[in-house]
Amino acid sequence: GQQVMQIPQYQHVQEGEDFTTYCNSSTTLSNIQWYKQRPGGHPVFLIQLVKSGEVKKQKRLTFQFGEAKKNSSLHITATQTTDVGTYFCAAPPGSTLGRLYFGRGTQLTVWP
Amino acid sequence: SQTIHQWPATLVQPVGSPLSLECTVEGTSNPNLYWYRQAAGRGLQLLFYSVGIGQISSEVPQNLSASRPQDRQFILSSKKLLLSDSGFYLCAWSVLWGTRSYGYTFGSGTRLTVV
Repeated sequence: GQQVMQIPQYQHVQEGEDFTTYCNSSTTLSNIQWYKQRPGGHPVFLIQLVKSGEVKKQKRLTFQFGEAKKNSSLHITATQTTDVGTYFCAAPPGSTLGRLYFGRGTQLTVWP
Repeated sequence: SQTIHQWPATLVQPVGSPLSLECTVEGTSNPNLYWYRQAAGRGLQLLFYSVGIGQISSEVPQNLSASRPQDRQFILSSKKLLLSDSGFYLCAWSVLWGTRSYGYTFGSGTRLTVV
């Protein structure tokens, strides 16, 4: 399947600090999706980015899709303990719709 | 509203025993259905996906199989479990609208431990 590389694998921050996770692909992506999985839970869909250079915000979360549609990032401003979990990016293989291949995720720990 | 049900939540099975995990979706028609496996502390590995009744595509060769006997029912099976089959199994659905696909909705998952 298509490789979507995600870094870092782990991130530990103090509450109030910012956090960023990055996804990179060697091929152009038709779209990229982001999910959050709380400890012990299941992944929950956050957002989908489709357009080159797209930027979307959800409260303290900012999602970006690169101009070349080969990379994406999720940035959290002023983290809170409720942000704890693993954040995954996911993308379909080539132009095939439906299937998604997930990055390995970034596990975020927030210290109070 | 759309909901997805997955059971059981936890399962402990001996090596060599059979497996059957069921997933059902409500509130939508002709969904794409998926089975993923997540090893402890790892990412999600796509196992099977289905675009319709009786249509199953396998992503990874293994001793698991999947079936879709009804539009909104997806079953993951094994005739003989291996220790390496342990993991967190997640069912998900999505809908395609023309050329647009939308985010997956995951079930709550089954934690399988093979002993």
